[in-house]
Amino acid sequence: KAGVTQTPRYLIKTRGQQVTLSCSPISGHRSVSWYQQTPGQGLQFLFEYFSETQRNKGNFPGRFSGRQFSNSRSEMNVSTLELGDSALYLCASSFGYGGLKYNEQFFGPGTRLTVL
Amino acid sequence: DQQVKQNSPSLSVQEGRISILNCDYTNSMFDYFLWYKKYPAEGPTFLISISSIKDKNEDGRFTVFLNKSAKHLSLHIVPSQPGDSAVYFCAASAWETSGSRLTFGEGTQLTVNP
Repeated sequence: KAGVTQTPRYLIKTRGQQVTLSCSPISGHRSVSWYQQTPGQGLQFLFEYFSETQRNKGNFPGRFSGRQFSNSRSEMNVSTLELGDSALYLCASSFGYGGLKYNEQFFGPGTRLTVL
Repeated sequence: DQQVKQNSPSLSVQEGRISILNCDYTNSMFDYFLWYKKYPAEGPTFLISISSIKDKNEDGRFTVFLNKSAKHLSLHIVPSQPGDSAVYFCAASAWETSGSRLTFGEGTQLTVNP
């Protein structure tokens, strides 16, 4: 069974640009969550999508947005990039229902975004 | 507001000995706790979890203990092996109120010396 895949693995952008990251969950998983990892803040929850709907949202500005398609694949977008957006962006997938005990989250390898 | 804290950024242990990683939390709504292991350039890998209705869960060399009154959990690795060297994250969830959302600690770098 294929794991969670994220593309691209590495990205370099400049301030003010926008970026789109992609995540393909494990087959059969309907929930996709996004996390940002930085040295100073650790792993921070961005948002979760389940069946094409945003089900949960963290404390990030509106420049961070996402969506989920009917095949459960998800994209996140960051507009007007700032230097502080440089981070590892991780995607995690799970079935998304039945309680967390039955919903081990499987993480992808992440996309390393560098903003210059 | 850091709701999940791992106060030790690093831990060094001899091969064969016990590794004990600690985690404290403040949110009493958390009802499920997990430990993840992370190697550089990879995503976190799930290790072991515990529900708030239990105080211990064991899986091979890994045991997680939960002390709800102290809002404290720990991960014991016995015996420790060099391949266990990685960053370990404690995470917590409140499924009824926050669904799949995980709140992570800052991580502890474990080094197991041969």
